[in-house]
Amino acid sequence: GAVVSQHPSRVICKSGTSVKIECRSLDFQATTMFWYRQFPKKSLMLMATSNEGSKATYEQGVEKDKFLINHASLTLSTLTVTSAHPEDSSFYICSAQRGGRNSYEQYFGPGTRLTVT
Amino acid sequence: GENVEQHPSTLSVQEGDSAVIKCTYSDSASNYFPWYKQELGKRPQLIIDIRSNVGEKKDQRIAVTLNKTAKHFSLHITETQPEDSAVYFCAASIGTNAGKSTFGDGTTLTVKP
Repeated sequence: GAVVSQHPSRVICKSGTSVKIECRSLDFQATTMFWYRQFPKKSLMLMATSNEGSKATYEQGVEKDKFLINHASLTLSTLTVTSAHPEDSSFYICSAQRGGRNSYEQYFGPGTRLTVT
Repeated sequence: GENVEQHPSTLSVQEGDSAVIKCTYSDSASNYFPWYKQELGKRPQLIIDIRSNVGEKKDQRIAVTLNKTAKHFSLHITETQPEDSAVYFCAASIGTNAGKSTFGDGTTLTVKP
């Protein structure tokens, strides 16, 4: 199988602080990882694409200085929400994709529920 | 960019009946179409996918059809069970980079026992 973990599963932080979310591929190497944001009863909104060893590619409207993404290894990508505000409260989900030919599938992490008070 | 529309937004069926969810896409270059099932507070789970070189794929009670000419694809669930109740998302992507997917808005399926 292809297992992706996220940590933490839930986090509550105060407004103005920063929060780091980790996404790990446990049994495969992920050349590409993706970060999504999901609002209640809404679809997944792609925030950025993260490739190991290079800068992340952000989708239009996503502030790269606020949502810092680092893909330091083939099994780990991190998303740091800097100077969090209540409007950043959301469900953040990562996904990982194997490298190589025909690497169509993406495998999702369990998500992180962020609440900013 | 790609635009994916999904219908209906909600669907309620009686246990044992069939359920059909439809999606259309705008970019003719899209060639990979996965379907995900997401239960409340959980991660999306891939339930079936289809590539553009085939028109239909089936896996037990689940099937997906693709019409490239019309740029639409559909999910068919037969003999529905209460545990099929969830939100279903379709997606479309180009090339082998499946992660750069555009998702539909989702369909909330309720199967009544």
